[in-house]
Amino acid sequence: GQSLEQPSEVTAVEGAIVQINCTYQTSGFYGLSWYQQHDGGAPTFLSYNALDGLEETGRFSSFLSRSDSYGYLLLQELQMKDSASYFCALAGAAGNKLTFGGGTRVLVKP
Amino acid sequence: DGGITQSPKYLFRKEGQNVTLSCEQNLNHDAMYWYRQDPGQGLRLIYYSQIVNDFQKGDIAEGYSVSREKKESFPLTVTSAQKNPTAFYLCASSDRGPSYEQYFGPGTRLTVT
Repeated sequence: GQSLEQPSEVTAVEGAIVQINCTYQTSGFYGLSWYQQHDGGAPTFLSYNALDGLEETGRFSSFLSRSDSYGYLLLQELQMKDSASYFCALAGAAGNKLTFGGGTRVLVKP
Repeated sequence: DGGITQSPKYLFRKEGQNVTLSCEQNLNHDAMYWYRQDPGQGLRLIYYSQIVNDFQKGDIAEGYSVSREKKESFPLTVTSAQKNPTAFYLCASSDRGPSYEQYFGPGTRLTVT
């Protein structure tokens, strides 16, 4: 099977940088995705890493290291609206599906 | 506007009743998914379908059933056999292939008492 581990909660102030780590166990996968979910809302896609290295999308960047079974999401110039839960998810090699981690709740303080 | 609709947003049922949650998409996606989310938890896959008239069990399919008679629609029935049905249910869709980018509906919050 597949499993992913993320920290449960991170707190930071506006303007700061936050890194959300994701470690995983899998026998094979296509890549690592990241999603954002505000309280009571639907998850929305943020980023995807098929290859090792850094992908940058505006204030958000995502990184993957297959050799270390590790990835992270970097949130820069934090804004209050970034307060949300962030999920990493493995795009599985077996079947067209995603396996999600437990999520990291990010709280941004003024 | 293209998107995914789920209805209703809130649903209340008595124990022992079956209930069907609606999911419709007009994104022309082949694949559709149902997830369950409990408070403070991640998303767990219930069922998914990659093509009309075909679907597969996810990680927590017991007590649930689905159908996929049309490309646009993927209803989920929560049966009385589901031991703990109160949860937030999310429907999603994606293009066929490695589904790294899924589009989610607004969700249905089901409460069973």
